[in-house]
Amino acid sequence: EVQLVESGGGLVQPGGSLRLSCAASGFTVSSNYMSWVRQAPGKGLEWVSVIYSGGSTYYADSVKGRFTISRDNSKNTLYLQMNSLRAEDTAVYYCASSYTPDAFDIWGQGTMVTVSS
Amino acid sequence: EIVLTQSPGTLSLSPGERATLSCRASQSVSSSYLAWYQQKPGQAPRLLIYGASSRATGIPDRFSGSGSGTDFTLTISRLEPEDFAVYYCQQYGSSHYTFGQGTKLEIK
Repeated sequence: EVQLVESGGGLVQPGGSLRLSCAASGFTVSSNYMSWVRQAPGKGLEWVSVIYSGGSTYYADSVKGRFTISRDNSKNTLYLQMNSLRAEDTAVYYCASSYTPDAFDIWGQGTMVTVSS
Repeated sequence: EIVLTQSPGTLSLSPGERATLSCRASQSVSSSYLAWYQQKPGQAPRLLIYGASSRATGIPDRFSGSGSGTDFTLTISRLEPEDFAVYYCQQYGSSHYTFGQGTKLEIK
């Protein structure tokens, strides 16, 4: 079964750091386009970052320089390292995957990140 | 950055009726890299349409997408009770993605 399972969310103070993980099963993360998409409470979807199958990485302007996307092929897992967190980063973070770069056909269940003092 | 504007914000219809949702882009969307998603409360989004008009795996044929350039439409031909949800359009270009703000489809 194709599946994505996120973990690592929680409560963190402004300026703090957090690392999210997304474990994949049923397919290989290194063969797919893997993204993070977030959704603030009661709001719409916002794309955060993507790592291409070839390894190139791209970020939304709102997180560039603060967040880093990576993957561990041996663990078949995607990561999002989030530094210098702000209140506006509070959201459910989804990992999403696709075999082609243009749309996301596999989604995890999401993990909640709350940035608050 | 390409901005996607969805209309209407809320659409109130009854089961059995036809729903037409609009997504307008601030610039032309390259190669019809336009997708539609459905999201129900407490759930992750589900891909419905990619490439503007291709249905994703397992999506019923009452869902159809059309359009090109800057104007795209999602049509649900005959609403079922499970279709009432929030719908998002999304575009891909220059290695970045943007979503529309969503259309809430509610039961009248």
